[in-house]
Amino acid sequence: EAQVTQNPRYLITVTGKKLTVTCSQNMNHEYMSWYRQDPGLGLRQIYYSMNVEVTDKGDVPEGYKVSRKEKRNFPLILESPSPNQTSLYFCASTKTARPSNEQFFGPGTRLTVL
Amino acid sequence: AQKVTQAQTEISVVEKEDVTLDCVYETRDTTYYLFWYKQPPSGELVFLIRRNSFDEQNEISGRYSWNFQKSTSSFNFTITASQVVDSAVYFCALSEAATGTYKYIFGTGTRLKVLA
Repeated sequence: EAQVTQNPRYLITVTGKKLTVTCSQNMNHEYMSWYRQDPGLGLRQIYYSMNVEVTDKGDVPEGYKVSRKEKRNFPLILESPSPNQTSLYFCASTKTARPSNEQFFGPGTRLTVL
Repeated sequence: AQKVTQAQTEISVVEKEDVTLDCVYETRDTTYYLFWYKQPPSGELVFLIRRNSFDEQNEISGRYSWNFQKSTSSFNFTITASQVVDSAVYFCALSEAATGTYKYIFGTGTRLKVLA
């Protein structure tokens, strides 16, 4: 089944404890992206990747890191999480690195930072 | 700069009513793409439609229709004869590729509640 998977789905952690949210797609998609969803703010793009080893900042990159060493994986790293990073996170992918493509989203990861 | 505005935060309608969700966008590029996504209460995000900036034809898919007007920079979404299953948050989004890389900009979403 073609899909985008994220792990974990739910995470409660404490301030400053490094964490990684994994994202993997099995569709051989070129473009991958991370978003956070907050009430009243909609979806905001954190980082995106046009292809392997090519990443760039979205609109809210502060406090996050990403890497794209393999085409299928695009982990989101929070080196020192803070409470303002409590949010619902979505990973997404598109077939090619073209703005015309619709995005396929993962199921979301709900992160709480205490 | 890119911007997508969904001024309607929440709309409530009674089943079988028609409802229109507004989306206004800003972009400096001449080539861009607009999207609508649906997020039902279960939380997943589902693609509904894509429209490119050169295609102003309206589109109808069952009870759903979309009206794209470049003159007013709007891409509105109408649900005819709404049903309870239409209850969801709907997001409008914009992408453009003026520089060879591209980002997606989403609106803040409109929560639609369809009451039985």
